[in-house]
Amino acid sequence: QVQLVQSGAEVTKPGASVKVSCKASGYTFTGYYVNWVRQAPGQGLEWVGRINPDSGGTDYAQKFQGGVTMTRDTSISTAYMELGSLRSDDTAVYYCAILVEGRQYWGQGTLVTVSS
Amino acid sequence: DIVMTQTPLSSPVTLGQPASISCRSSQSLVHRDGNTHLTWLQQRPGQPPRLLIYKVSNRFSGVPDRFSGSGAGTDFTLKISRVEAEDVGIYFCMQATQFPWTFGQGTKVEIK
Repeated sequence: QVQLVQSGAEVTKPGASVKVSCKASGYTFTGYYVNWVRQAPGQGLEWVGRINPDSGGTDYAQKFQGGVTMTRDTSISTAYMELGSLRSDDTAVYYCAILVEGRQYWGQGTLVTVSS
Repeated sequence: DIVMTQTPLSSPVTLGQPASISCRSSQSLVHRDGNTHLTWLQQRPGQPPRLLIYKVSNRFSGVPDRFSGSGAGTDFTLKISRVEAEDVGIYFCMQATQFPWTFGQGTKVEIK
């Protein structure tokens, strides 16, 4: 079955960077975009961007352009999202998610806490 | 971007009674492939979002049949026929018809 397993929680300081991973299994990794979605504490869901695992091409929401980089390693079916120049308001749970024939599959989420 | 608007934002419900959530999109969600990529997600406290309904009215594997989705074009509805205690949480509609994905604000379902 489709599974997306994310890396563990991160605590980091303002101005630092963090890299979150999303390991895929149960489907053809290169066949479907991997999307990243952010949820700040007590808030709704916000699309961050996506990567085409086949070509490596990326699309980012305008709000996150310049602060996020998405990559992938097809040899281990893993997508990555690196967040740079972090601020306290980047504290959130970050989810990876894919859409396969209309059905969405979500990772378990990675809490990134930015605090001095 | 397509704007998704949910109503109500809060829904106190008596156990065993029905609940209904509406979702309206700022543009038609009919994709050029003929599908309408409107999804309903459930998020229980402290949990990641869980897929309930995809393509307007298709229940995902393992979702109880008390959940149903309907609608077309720009107006969609999620119904819970008889609310159970485990249904407490926040429900989001989202669209994947047009890039980028966009989400409704969320509707909090709680027991009266």
